Amino acid sequence: EIVMTQSPATLSVSPGERATLSCRASQSVSSNLAWYQQKPGQAPRLLIYRASTRATGIPARFSGSGSGTEFTLTISSLQSEDFAIYYCQQYNNWPPWTFGQGTKVEIK
Amino acid sequence: QVLLVESGGGVVQPGRSLRLSCAASGFAFNNFGMHWVRQAPGRGLEWLAVISFDGSSNHHRDSVKGRFTISRDNSNDTLYLQMNSLRADDTAIYYCVKESSGWTKYLENWGQGTLVTVSS
Repeated sequence: EIVMTQSPATLSVSPGERATLSCRASQSVSSNLAWYQQKPGQAPRLLIYRASTRATGIPARFSGSGSGTEFTLTISSLQSEDFAIYYCQQYNNWPPWTFGQGTKVEIK
Repeated sequence: QVLLVESGGGVVQPGRSLRLSCAASGFAFNNFGMHWVRQAPGRGLEWLAVISFDGSSNHHRDSVKGRFTISRDNSNDTLYLQMNSLRADDTAIYYCVKESSGWTKYLENWGQGTLVTVSS
């Protein structure tokens, strides 16, 4: 099973600032990496797939990069609606599909 | 648009069974693999099971093998999760998820979830 590790666990950012979230896989997952956003009381929402492709309707301030074992999600200028928990997930070696433990982006 | 509506959650005693349903609409259900993912209170996301578009194959995570069974009814656009021998640590929100098309299968569309509470 591929283990996904996210850092940091919590990121405190001021509105308008840049946020950089990291995700590491225990072995290569090529570019088969997705990012999801989850707000309190809501289901997760797909943000990014194939490491860097934005899902339908996702604003351009969200960008993904990386391949192999190291990945990054960047939010270029945080808006109030972006404060949430973000999960990475690999879909290269399945089953199982595996998630990171999440990074909470909170208001500084 | 894609709509996934889970039902069947509730409070159940340890050792009992529960069947979750997910009604799908807005897409060709019989063309897509489907998943169940759960989230315990205050915890992260845990993939549980997947079933192929035609129901001919499925996989379950090791911790629920033999207790949980995923199935589907393509004539009624419905996904199911049969959960037996429930334990307290099965308490979670259970999400129905549509996977993407193509060979690489990410989790594209999520339902709102149904809460299962296992308690005496």
